Amino acid sequence: DTAVSQTPKYLVTQMGNDKSIKCEQNLGHDTMYWYKQDSKKFLKIMFSYNNKELIINETVPNRFSPKSPDKAHLNLHINSLELGDSAVYFCASSPSGGQPRNTQYFGPGTRLTVL
Amino acid sequence: DQQVKQNSPSLSVQEGRISILNCDYTNSMFDYFLWYKKYPAEGPTFLISISSIKDKNEDGRFTVFLNKSAKHLSLHIVPSQPGDSAVYFCAATLLLGGGNKLTFGTGTQLKVEL
Repeated sequence: DTAVSQTPKYLVTQMGNDKSIKCEQNLGHDTMYWYKQDSKKFLKIMFSYNNKELIINETVPNRFSPKSPDKAHLNLHINSLELGDSAVYFCASSPSGGQPRNTQYFGPGTRLTVL
Repeated sequence: DQQVKQNSPSLSVQEGRISILNCDYTNSMFDYFLWYKKYPAEGPTFLISISSIKDKNEDGRFTVFLNKSAKHLSLHIVPSQPGDSAVYFCAATLLLGGGNKLTFGTGTQLKVEL
C-alpha cells in the first residue's frame, strides 16, 4: 500500500497550458511538501503545508499554487506553463513529532515536460 | 547560495569495501542532518539521520559521522553491496513551525561493482 502517491507520473504539455499534479499520503502525517528537481538534479523545496496551512513558501513564481483540501492531500496547480518548468516534482510528508522527527517520506515523483 | 554541498558527483567502490560519501554545509543553525538514497524513477528514501548534538549514529551497515567544527558530515557504508548503487543525497533541516525544511546537496552517484 503506497504511503505517498502522486498522479500523474509523467506529464507532457505545451507552453502556456495549465496543469495540476495531485499528491496523497496515507501515513497520517500533518505536514506535506512540494520539491522540484531540476535538470541539474538539484532538489529544492517549493512549499510546505501543516494541517492545511501554508508554512513554507520559497521564492516560487505565483503561477504555482498549492492547494490542500485536507491534511492527506496537497495538490500543485501550475498556470501558464513555461519551458523552465520542466522538471521532476516530488511530494513529501512528515509527522510533526516523533523520531526521527525530521524524516520526510517522498512520493515517486512526477516528470513534467513542457514543449 | 548552496548551503549543503556534495563535492563528489560520483563514487565507484568494489563490493565488500567501504563507501565513504562526504557532505559539507555552511549554515550553523541546521539542527538535523539526513541521508537519503534515490534509485532512478523513484522518490528519495530516508536512510539515516543525526542530530546536531551528536557526532555519530549507526544503523546496521550505515554510519553517519558529524564534525560540527568543520561543518562536515560523512556516510560510511560497510560492507558495500551492489544494491547500494544509487544516488545519495545529504540534507539538513531547520525546524519551522509544525514542519521542517530540508535543504539538499546535489547528490553523489554511488556505484558498487562486483
